[in-house]
Amino acid sequence: AQKVTQAQTEISVVEKEDVTLDCVYETRDTTYYLFWYKQPPSGELVFLIRRNSFDEQNEISGRYSWNFQKSTSSFNFTITASQVVDSAVYFCALSENSGGGADGLTFGKGTHLIIQP
Amino acid sequence: DAGVIQSPRHEVTEMGQEVTLRCKPISGHDYLFWYRQTMMRGLELLIYFNNNVPIDDSGMPEDRFSAKMPNASFSTLKIQPSEPRDSAVYFCASSLAGPNTEAFFGQGTRLTVV
Repeated sequence: AQKVTQAQTEISVVEKEDVTLDCVYETRDTTYYLFWYKQPPSGELVFLIRRNSFDEQNEISGRYSWNFQKSTSSFNFTITASQVVDSAVYFCALSENSGGGADGLTFGKGTHLIIQP
Repeated sequence: DAGVIQSPRHEVTEMGQEVTLRCKPISGHDYLFWYRQTMMRGLELLIYFNNNVPIDDSGMPEDRFSAKMPNASFSTLKIQPSEPRDSAVYFCASSLAGPNTEAFFGQGTRLTVV
């Protein structure tokens, strides 16, 4: 069974600080996909990134970066120079193929990130 | 495109009543998902469709829940009879190419069963 753990329930930092959100996953599949979604106060979920299990290259997009390490089953998300608009709940999610078909997303419980001005 | 459209945005109903949630996916997306979000259980996949056909409904909590997709542009999630523990935010999402690809979420329907 797949499982995603986001141990940090809530993080509060002051604007301009760097912050890392942790995500640890469990899966028995060799082919799987990892995602991060953002849920701002307005409520909708917004896609941030997708990674497949064969691509361990880290990715940077502006102030956002992701570190994927299969050895530790982790897919951590770092925001550099945080801004108040980054305040949201961030979800890590996992999708794997089983029984010949793709399973839907399994989400972690989310990390509530608060950026204080 | 307007994105995934869900209606209603808020629903308050009495226990025992039938509730129908509606979703219009993004045009051209072949996959549609229904998720439920609660404080206790987080985000859970209820069911997903591919080309209007239900593929995985293992997340549907019980027989009181049913979902249909009569055509490519419309899906419903029905709860009959509703119970207070069904109170949650229900999200619909669609994607071009399956659960392993980017999903676009609607704004959700906040359901309160009293």
